[in-house]
Amino acid sequence: AQSVTQLGSHVSVSEGALVLLRCNYSSSVPPYLFWYVQYPNQGLQLLLKYTTGATLVKGINGFEAEFKKSETSFHLTKPSAHMSDAAEYFCAVSPVSGGYNKLIFGAGTRLAVHP
Amino acid sequence: AAGVIQSPRHLIKEKRETATLKCYPIPRHDTVYWYQQGPGQDPQFLISFYEKMQSDKGSIPDRFSAQQFSDYHSELNMSSLELGDSALYFCASSLRGSGELNQPQHFGDGTRLSIL
Repeated sequence: AQSVTQLGSHVSVSEGALVLLRCNYSSSVPPYLFWYVQYPNQGLQLLLKYTTGATLVKGINGFEAEFKKSETSFHLTKPSAHMSDAAEYFCAVSPVSGGYNKLIFGAGTRLAVHP
Repeated sequence: AAGVIQSPRHLIKEKRETATLKCYPIPRHDTVYWYQQGPGQDPQFLISFYEKMQSDKGSIPDRFSAQQFSDYHSELNMSSLELGDSALYFCASSLRGSGELNQPQHFGDGTRLSIL
């Protein structure tokens, strides 16, 4: 069965500092990979996705993630944190076979940005 | 752009009551997913529909049922509500299409269900 592990339930960075949110997946076949962001009392917004092709994926709000098959990782980064980036971030996988499948989420990482 | 619409945004019920949550997908999207997010937890997949047929089933209790209608909107029906059903319920939609597989799911803002 596929699973997602997000290292660090809480990450705190200074404004302007590098953001690194870690995600590792467990799957016999590389799945499709996603990062979603959730602001308080709101739904999940897609930041970026990896399906095939280039392993470095750029998303919205200056975020990007790199798929590393050898490390089964899909870490999310942003060079310079803004106060508005404070939110909950979820890494998710979806199995390739069959398509249009459910998302399996990690436990989430709450990002705090302080001045 | 139009997004996924969920209603109601908030719902308060008592134990053993029933509740119906509604989801209106993005226009032309043909697939709907339901997720349950407990306090401080990650979203858990409940059930999905494609072209009005159930396409996948997750950890949905037998007390819950769902369907997708001819206009593609979906309803999640919940009966014999329990305290543990208090959660945020999300609906997401996507377009199957004939192109790239696994078109991303777009989420609504959720229905917050509180059981007293």
